[in-house]
Amino acid sequence: EPEVTQTPSHQVTQMGQEVILRCVPISNHLYFYWYRQILGQKVEFLVSFYNNEISEKSEIFDDQFSVERPDGSNFTLKIRSTKLEDSAMYFCASSGGQAENIQYFGAGTRLSVL
Amino acid sequence: QKEVEQDPGPLSVPEGAIVSLNCTYSNSAFQYFMWYRQYSRKGPELLMYTYSSGNKEDGRFTAQVDKSSKYISLFIRDSQPSDSATYLCAMSGGSGNQFYFGTGTSLTVIP
Repeated sequence: EPEVTQTPSHQVTQMGQEVILRCVPISNHLYFYWYRQILGQKVEFLVSFYNNEISEKSEIFDDQFSVERPDGSNFTLKIRSTKLEDSAMYFCASSGGQAENIQYFGAGTRLSVL
Repeated sequence: QKEVEQDPGPLSVPEGAIVSLNCTYSNSAFQYFMWYRQYSRKGPELLMYTYSSGNKEDGRFTAQVDKSSKYISLFIRDSQPSDSATYLCAMSGGSGNQFYFGTGTSLTVIP
């Protein structure tokens, strides 16, 4: 069964460093998303991406964040200068064409900022 | 006002019980309603989804949507210890739109 894969499963970084979280969405999907979940809190939307551009973003997704689809399979989230409060689980999701709004999630990357 | 409200629990039931999980929402534009199951430190796993109002059944799971009351439910029949997880409701307005999640309800099924 197709699935969304994320790497690494756990990323530890120092405050102020840049991190790139990687995702391989389901191959025939057209919409891609990043969400985050701070420990003990709800899953929060960060950004959606369609047709090689951002289609929607939340207030959380400020200038420190960027997304990219560098090739035909990967979808990345970059945090330029990490802060302690960026520590969270980051989930990538993808969904199919216009007729399907169901988002399938990866297992997540746990980001720990020290 | 929060977009989606969900009682975080925790909810503890004996094996074989019927479990009822609920969410309310405020945005009448929501059309897609999903239930995800999340195990500790894992990603949300899609259980069921419903478009607009009505009921949907899949094995021991039944999802109900009442758009007039802005209320959705997930029922689990004959609950099993393996059902122990956090259950998240999520909803959105349309294709490509962001999902709005509830806080999740932590469920423990005791053998």
